[in-house]
Amino acid sequence: EDKVVQSPLSLVVHEGDTVTLNCSYEVTNFRSLLWYKQEKKAPTFLFMLTSSGIEKKSGRLSSILDKKELFSILNITATQTGDSAVYLCAVEATWNKLTFGKGITLSVRP
Amino acid sequence: EAGVAQSPRYKIIEKRQSVAFWCNPISGHATLYWYQQILGQGPKLLIQFQNNGVVDDSQLPKDRFSAERLKGVDSTLKIQPAKLEDSAVYLCASSSLAGGPAYEQYFGPGTRLTVT
Repeated sequence: EDKVVQSPLSLVVHEGDTVTLNCSYEVTNFRSLLWYKQEKKAPTFLFMLTSSGIEKKSGRLSSILDKKELFSILNITATQTGDSAVYLCAVEATWNKLTFGKGITLSVRP
Repeated sequence: EAGVAQSPRYKIIEKRQSVAFWCNPISGHATLYWYQQILGQGPKLLIQFQNNGVVDDSQLPKDRFSAERLKGVDSTLKIQPAKLEDSAVYLCASSSLAGGPAYEQYFGPGTRLTVT
C-alpha cells in the first residue's frame, strides 16, 4: 500500500522565520510528488517534482526531491502570516492516483 | 474558465440517514475524482472516473457508498446509511487528460458533512 508521511505535523513560527517541511514516501510506480497548500478550502497546487536534485522555486517557496532516499522538502523563507495553512504532500502513481500525507499545519505569528 | 462546482457546501444529517453530493467538473474534463478528507488528515481517493467508467474504486466502502457519472459529465456520490465516521469534507476534482500530469487535477470547494 502506498504511504506518505509528513513531518512535523504542526509548527508555529514567527514572521520572517524560515521553515522546512518534510515528506517521505513509499509507493509503487512512482510518477511524481506534489505539494499543495490548503487554507480551509480546496487544496491549491504549489509544485510538482519528478526528477531528483532539481529545485523548483516560486518566490519564497522552494522544493526538492530525493528519489534515492524517497523524500522531499518544502522550504519557505521569510514567512508571512499569509503562509499559515496546511501543507499537503502527495505522491502520484499511475492513472493519476494521488496518495496524500496527513498534512503539516503551519502557523505564522506576527 | 469556471471551476469545479459542488453542492451542497454543508450538510448535517443523523446517523443511518442517506445523503448525496453533486459535482460538476470543469467543462471538457474527462477524469473525475472523489476524495474524502477527515479532519486532521489528507484527502483520500474514494473513486476515479474516466468519462463514465470507473478507473479505481479500491478505497470506496461499497457497502454504504456509491457513485455514478452518467453521460461522463456530472457525478453524484451517495452514502446510505451514514455512520458517525463518515463526517468529513468530500472533495471533487477533475482533470482534462487521461494519464496526464496530476497537477492538472483541479479541486472543487468541497462538501462538509457532519453526521450526528
